[in-house]
Amino acid sequence: DTEVTQTPKHLVMGMTNKKSLKCEQHMGHRAMYWYKQKAKKPPELMFVYSYEKLSINESVPSRFSPECPNSSLLNLHLHALQPEDSALYLCASSQVSRGPGEKLFFGSGTQLSVL
Amino acid sequence: GQQVMQIPQYQHVQEGEDFTTYCNSSTTLSNIQWYKQRPGGHPVFLIQLVKSGEVKKQKRLTFQFGEAKKNSSLHITATQTTDVGTYFCAGPSGGSYIPTFGRGTSLIVHP
Repeated sequence: DTEVTQTPKHLVMGMTNKKSLKCEQHMGHRAMYWYKQKAKKPPELMFVYSYEKLSINESVPSRFSPECPNSSLLNLHLHALQPEDSALYLCASSQVSRGPGEKLFFGSGTQLSVL
Repeated sequence: GQQVMQIPQYQHVQEGEDFTTYCNSSTTLSNIQWYKQRPGGHPVFLIQLVKSGEVKKQKRLTFQFGEAKKNSSLHITATQTTDVGTYFCAGPSGGSYIPTFGRGTSLIVHP
């Protein structure tokens, strides 16, 4: 079970389409993340929002556009994607703790196929 | 940025055998985390180690953090089919608090 909810679970889109991935958490976490995971590879960090402000962008192409409307919601807007962007997109959240590391809670992911 | 190296990439075991995966870093880590991802699933946090030489147990799983805080291991005793999945270690990268994942070890358990 996960307390981070992602929709849709599956998405197929053409290269000219515009779509959005959605993520929601109600754990009171103040940091939210987007990761991209290709098959048989580890998750790769894309974006981090901390207190609803974009704090990290790992040099992600502009065809991916994140948005954090409030502390519970995180969106990823997709436009003009390429077939190589097909992957599992994972949302995660964490408390912004004073500890040495952030414990990440992941959603179930959106499996994206770009045709 | 700093990365944790994880081996082996795959491990096949017979049910009941033990399993170990290892992570190594070239620099000292402030902490190391372990996650499990079942086939078709998402990563799930297992544990975080912070102290030098720390050992923590969760039922049949034993996690260790090296004395120099540069390596860590996850050992599973008497594997079961429910242990199947990919186990990732994750350590902080550079000055960031955000964990960067090792390549993972995929455990396949044969009944």
